[in-house]
Amino acid sequence: GAVVSQHPSRVICKSGTSVKIECRSLDFQATTMFWYRQFPKKSLMLMATSNEGSKATYEQGVEKDKFLINHASLTLSTLTVTSAHPEDSSFYICSARAQDRGRGEQFFGPGTRLTVL
Amino acid sequence: AQKVTQAQTEISVVEKEDVTLDCVYETRDTTYYLFWYKQPPSGELVFLIRRNSFDEQNEISGRYSWNFQKSTSSFNFTITASQVVDSAVYFCALSGLSGGYQKVTFGTGTKLQVIP
Repeated sequence: GAVVSQHPSRVICKSGTSVKIECRSLDFQATTMFWYRQFPKKSLMLMATSNEGSKATYEQGVEKDKFLINHASLTLSTLTVTSAHPEDSSFYICSARAQDRGRGEQFFGPGTRLTVL
Repeated sequence: AQKVTQAQTEISVVEKEDVTLDCVYETRDTTYYLFWYKQPPSGELVFLIRRNSFDEQNEISGRYSWNFQKSTSSFNFTITASQVVDSAVYFCALSGLSGGYQKVTFGTGTKLQVIP
């Protein structure tokens, strides 16, 4: 099956710093990648959809200046949480849609747990 | 608009019991996909199944089985002879044609605890 990796798996940072999370499709090309956020004991909420080479599409209520998304290549998308605050602490999961796979198939990364002190 | 409802927030069963996790969905699309994912304490989402809206055949995979009832918009998941390793949060999800199958809507999840 297709593999998606995320780095780092866990990060702790001080309030006010910026944190970058990487999402990579290891054995396939992903034209589209998705970023989700999951609060403790809650469901996954889609934050944004990023297409390779174009600007990300953000869901309603998600601050695009706060959560910067870059999808520079067919195998890499990055999410940067700028000027992080404790309320940004969450579990961030990316997924990737394969260019040559069937509809509706997304492959999820293992997630990144962000803790902002 | 898409919506997935998992009414059971937490379920506890004793090992070897059977358990069914309910999932009810809403969509205006006539073509859509339904999914089940398992999220163990480590947090990683584990894909379990994808079902096309045109395929109402029930599916069995080992101790897992799924019952897709289009008439009631339900896609229930049964674990037979549950084991402690089945303890996790299980998510039902949906993606439809109108969103280009891009947007996956997740239910709120059912936390399953299997007691030894």
